Amino acid sequence: DIVMTQSPDSLAVSLGERATINCKSSQSVLYTSDNKNYLAWYQQKPGQPPKLLIYWASTRESGVPDRFSGSGSGTDFTLTINSLQAEDVAVYYCQQYYSPPFTFGPGTKVDIK
Amino acid sequence: EVQLVQSGAEVKKPGESLKISCKASGYSFTSYWIGWVRQMPGKGLEWMGIIYPGDSDTRYSPSFQGQVTISADKSITTAYLQWSSLKAADTAMYYCARVSRELTRWFDPWGQGTLVTVSS
Repeated sequence: DIVMTQSPDSLAVSLGERATINCKSSQSVLYTSDNKNYLAWYQQKPGQPPKLLIYWASTRESGVPDRFSGSGSGTDFTLTINSLQAEDVAVYYCQQYYSPPFTFGPGTKVDIK
Repeated sequence: EVQLVQSGAEVKKPGESLKISCKASGYSFTSYWIGWVRQMPGKGLEWMGIIYPGDSDTRYSPSFQGQVTISADKSITTAYLQWSSLKAADTAMYYCARVSRELTRWFDPWGQGTLVTVSS
């Protein structure tokens, strides 16, 4: 199985500041035949199901605010939330969909400082 | 609008059987993979398995293989997750979520979740 790790476990950021979450896979999730990274990011607010934010490591899902951005390739990825808003308080998960089982990272909790 | 509506919360005793459901609407049910995710209390997301209702091709995570059964009924566009003998450790929220026509894609959208509580 591909093991996903995330750092930090949690972080607190002031309103309007930037939050950066890292995700690392135990093997590359870059599929060379199409040059795409098979990685997604989800947001889960308390009491709600997860919501897709980003796929192909950097493509924002329709309707997701542009303060959310994804970057990285191969085994190292980053989710950046620019100008953090109160409604962004949530747990964020990365997931690889390169090889089943399509494992998730352990999650990063984002709070307001 | 694509929607996944899951069955209601369940309270069961250890050793009992259970089948929870995920009713899909708003798209061609037989053309998209649909999967299940476990979230134990206060914990993260665990990918359990996935089924292609068109031909019932099913893939399980090794962690869940033999522990649960994933199935689908095309006639009523519903996917299922079932246990033959529940354990206290099965207490969790279970989500269904649609994938794509392709297996190797992300989950979107998600059902609202079914809370399963197993306690004597």
